Amino acid sequence: AQSVSQHNHHVILSEAASLELGCNYSYGGTVNLFWYVQYPGQHLQLLLKYFSGDPLVKGIKGFEAEFIKSKFSFNLRKPSVQWSDTAEYFCAVLEAMYSGGGADGLTFGKGTHLIIQP
Amino acid sequence: DVKVTQSSRYLVKRTGEKVFLECVQDMDHENMFWYRQDPGLGLRLIYFSYDVKMKEKGDIPEGYSVSREKKERFSLILESASTNQTSMYLCASSSPWGGYTFGSGTRLTVV
Repeated sequence: AQSVSQHNHHVILSEAASLELGCNYSYGGTVNLFWYVQYPGQHLQLLLKYFSGDPLVKGIKGFEAEFIKSKFSFNLRKPSVQWSDTAEYFCAVLEAMYSGGGADGLTFGKGTHLIIQP
Repeated sequence: DVKVTQSSRYLVKRTGEKVFLECVQDMDHENMFWYRQDPGLGLRLIYFSYDVKMKEKGDIPEGYSVSREKKERFSLILESASTNQTSMYLCASSSPWGGYTFGSGTRLTVV
C-alpha cells in the first residue's frame, strides 16, 4: 500500500509570502494524486488533482501543484498567500483498496497546518 | 453537486455505550468510506464499502464495525465506545473517477 509523507506539519507565513508544501508518495507506477484543504470548522474540499498529462496542475484559489515522477513528489504551491488560506492541507494518493477490484480509495498524508499572519 | 450528510455534528457518549454514526450520500456512488481524523495523524481509514452489504477493513478497524444495507447509507458502529475513540469521524463517497466528497464530520467525545 502507498504511504504519503508531508514534510511540514506546521507552517507559518506572512501574507504575500510564497508557499510550497511538500508531498511524497512511496512507490511509482501510475498514480492519481490530490490535494485537499480543510478550512477551520469546514469539511474537506478538493483543491486540485493530477491523473495524467501536464504535470503542472492548476487548482482553485490560485493553487498549483507539480507532479515530478522521478522524485515521487507532488508539491503544492501558491505564489502569494492570503490570510484566508489559513487551513489544514492534505496530500493524498488514490490506489486500489480491494484486491478483487471495484474500489479505489485515498491514502492521506498527516496534513500540514498552515497559518497565515496578517 | 454530490452531498454527503452525516447525521450528527457533535456527539457525547459514555464509555461502554454502543454508538451509531450515520452517513447518507445522494449521488448513487458505489464506494463509501469512514475515516477518523486526529491532530498530527491525518485521516486514517477505518472501513470502506464498495457495494451494498460489502465491506472491507481499512487501516484501523479495531473497535469498529459498519453496515451498508442500502446504497446511499453507510453506518459506522462503535460496539463499546472507549475514550480513545474520541475523534472527528469523516464519511466520504467517491465517484467513478475517484473524486471524493466528504461529509462535514461528526466530532465524537467519549467520556
